[in-house]
This record gives sequence, C-alpha cells and structure tokens, in this order.
Amino acid sequence: DIVMTQTPLSSPVTLGQPASISCRSSQSLVDSDGNTYLSWFQQRPGQPPRLLIYKISNRFSGVPDRFSGSGAGTDFTLKISRVEAEDVGVYYCMQATQFPRTFGQGTKVEIK
Amino acid sequence: QVQLQESGPGLVKPSQTLSLTCTVSGGSISSGSYCWSWIRQPAGKGLEWIGRIYTSGKTEYNPSLKSRVTISLDTSKNQFSLMLNSVTAADTAVYYCARDEASVLRYFDYWGQGTLVAVSS
Repeated sequence: DIVMTQTPLSSPVTLGQPASISCRSSQSLVDSDGNTYLSWFQQRPGQPPRLLIYKISNRFSGVPDRFSGSGAGTDFTLKISRVEAEDVGVYYCMQATQFPRTFGQGTKVEIK
Repeated sequence: QVQLQESGPGLVKPSQTLSLTCTVSGGSISSGSYCWSWIRQPAGKGLEWIGRIYTSGKTEYNPSLKSRVTISLDTSKNQFSLMLNSVTAADTAVYYCARDEASVLRYFDYWGQGTLVAVSS
C-alpha cells in the first residue's frame, strides 16, 4: 500500500494568518492515465470528513477559495490563505491512484 | 442533495459479525457513475477504506480486511450494507458510508454522519 505521511501533525495558527499542510506519498501518485489522484478532506470535531480538494488542486463544490492545493509526484500541499475559526479540525490527504486508497494520519489545525 | 445515514448495532461481541446498513436519500443508488464505500475510523485515529460496491454488484475490498468483509446492495430499498465477521477489539471504530466516484475523479464526495461500533463482551 502507498503510505501517506503528513507534516506537521499539529498546526497552531493565528486567526487571519495562513496555514500550510504537507503530504508526502511513498510512491509517485501519477497514474498511467496521466492524472494524479490526490484529495484533501477536512474533519471538524464530531463531523464526518468533508471533501475539499481533488486531483491535487480542484476545489469541490462550495469550498471557499481560501483553500488551495498544489504539488506533483510525491509531494503535495494544502494551504489556507487566511485561517478562520470554522477551519479548526483535522485535515487528511488521500491517494486514489493505487488500490487500495490510503489516507494520511491527519494534521490538526487549531487556533493559537 | 444526496444524504447517507448509517444504522446498526452499536455493540458487537468479540468473534461475532458486525452488520451495518447505509440508507441513501436524495437520489437513486443505481443512477450515475458512482459506487458506494465503507470507511472506518478508530477513536482518535486516521481513516481506513474498507471496501466498495458498484451498482452492477461488483465489489472491491481492502486486502487487509478482504477475508472478513462482505458488502451488498439492495436497490429496492436504496441501501447498501457491510458485514465484518470475526470481530475483535481492533474493529472498534466509527464506521462511515460514503458515495464514491471511482473512475474519472476518484473521490468520496458525500458521507454519512458515522456510527460508532464497539466490540466488547
């Protein structure tokens, strides 16, 4: 299985300031079809995960534009341009290039 | 808007079978290019994909659980179900059902609220 490693595991952020989460895969996530199937999810306390970003950088419907994704190959980043109180939670990356899909261990974003 | 809701016993004894059902509303489980997945999350830990079922009835399971998992579909009730046999304490988790776009986009776009299943005697 592809191992997804996120850093940091915890990210205290000041409201209005940016936050960045890194996700590294143990193998390249470029599929044979040329696409890279890397997604990001947000999990607020007591809630199910919510899809934010798919295929590295595409925001899902209704996701604010302060969330952005980037990266290639084995290294990917989720950025929040200006953290708001509602952004508190745990963020997970997930690869869907190789079977089975696997998730990172999560990064907790909290307000300082 | 598609909605999913898990249901089933919250407590299962060791060595027995865990059974959960996911009811889909706001759309037909048979329509579109989607399939249907189960994902679990032990308390305070990360997410593990369990398996999926296509509307054709084809199933795919995580190799780590394949020997113990069965996922089935009931289109007449707009439901799909999970059975996990020979459970141990390690199977204690919140279990989520999710809609799965498994071909072009490859993501889980709608999730149920999750249901906690504890394995204990």
